Amino acid sequence: GENVEQHPSTLSVQEGDSAVIKCTYSDSASNYFPWYKQELGKGPQLIIDIRSNVGEKKDQRIAVTLNKTAKHFSLHITETQPEDSAVYFCAASKRATDGLTFGKGTHLIIQP
Amino acid sequence: DAGVTQSPTHLIKTRGQQVTLRCSPKSGHDTVSWYQQALGQGPQFIFQYYEEEERQRGNFPDRFSGHQFPNYSSELNVNALLLGDSALYLCASSLYEQYFGPGTRLTVT
Repeated sequence: GENVEQHPSTLSVQEGDSAVIKCTYSDSASNYFPWYKQELGKGPQLIIDIRSNVGEKKDQRIAVTLNKTAKHFSLHITETQPEDSAVYFCAASKRATDGLTFGKGTHLIIQP
Repeated sequence: DAGVTQSPTHLIKTRGQQVTLRCSPKSGHDTVSWYQQALGQGPQFIFQYYEEEERQRGNFPDRFSGHQFPNYSSELNVNALLLGDSALYLCASSLYEQYFGPGTRLTVT
């Protein structure tokens, strides 16, 4: 089955700087790669996703890149703000409606 | 428009007991997936329901079972609870992308 590795497990950045979180996956049949943000005591919130026919996708301060050949994808957050502090999860599946395989998460800390 | 809702918020059960968790999907969504999230880990896929049938299943024992009703709401049942079943149980509904509810925190003592 699919295996998703996520790095780093903890990332501390200064407010206003950029943050990058990286994931690798094992199943070449995976075509859908979402990113979720989870705040304390809440369920994961979908923040951006990318499908295998696209190399990059942006939404305001958030961007995701995908390299299908190398089987890795990354989340980029620019101009970080205190409200960006949370745990971020990457995931992979064959289709958006399939069961997702998640990474172990990255705890992003924004230092004032 | 209400998002995904789950009940109860928290519950405490004793080892060996049975538990039922409930999920109401986001309006217009016809597919419900259940995930187990242990402390400090990513969610793990349990199973998915579509048109009242189990469509996909992750690597969980038969003690975990579910049901989907005609209104698309869903239940997760866990029999013969083990201490290791203590976790946050998340429901996600989808038409295309999956949207998660707030979860039910289950503690098994």
